[in-house]
Amino acid sequence: QSVLTQPPSASGTPGQRVTIYCSGSSSNIGSHIVNWYQQLPGTAPKPLIYRNNQRPSGVPDRFSGSKSGTSASLAISGLQSEDEADYYCAARDDSLNGWVFGGGTKLTVL
Amino acid sequence: QVQLVPSGAEVKEPGASVKVSCKASGYTFTNYGFSWVRLAPGQGLEWMGWISPYNGNTHYAQNFQGRVTMTTDTSTSTVYMELRSLRSDDTAVYYCAREGGDSSGYYFQHWGQGTLVTVSS
Repeated sequence: QSVLTQPPSASGTPGQRVTIYCSGSSSNIGSHIVNWYQQLPGTAPKPLIYRNNQRPSGVPDRFSGSKSGTSASLAISGLQSEDEADYYCAARDDSLNGWVFGGGTKLTVL
Repeated sequence: QVQLVPSGAEVKEPGASVKVSCKASGYTFTNYGFSWVRLAPGQGLEWMGWISPYNGNTHYAQNFQGRVTMTTDTSTSTVYMELRSLRSDDTAVYYCAREGGDSSGYYFQHWGQGTLVTVSS
């Protein structure tokens, strides 16, 4: 059972906008920044969004992040087939004194 | 460019120990901390702990305290993670992840390709 809660799956058609939500508590998302990672099949995770809404260089602006209270979201607009991947949210947790992840959301492009 | 090269796959019996490594290059090794993160089959990412190559300070996740040791070798720019008393549910891909960011927010900026550890009798 992951500390941060994500839906196990999401889907959309090419060109569509999809949003993935991540729910936490006051000891993690409510107190700390949220990062998002993308894991393409057979590869290592890579950072997609850091500090709630910042994109590392090279990440298209189709990807955006936001945070409100104890929840965060990752939005992907103009969905493309290459966006099929697992997406994870992460945050520091004060109670556990370490990093916690969501269980991951498998995105399917129909 | 930053490169993190993991050690090769391991197969261990239950109760044994495993030590995996990650060799870093392309930057000043002591300037950034490392975390170890694992991905077990059918599970999500799990943070195991953190080490500072600068001074060797470590911080382990509660789930692994007493069973994990993280070390570095600054002469070879390599980080190590040893996990003891292996169980079948320790079967996973183990990733090293170098942090990035600053005091306003850290994240796992660079990742190794991962080392598959299989625990089986």
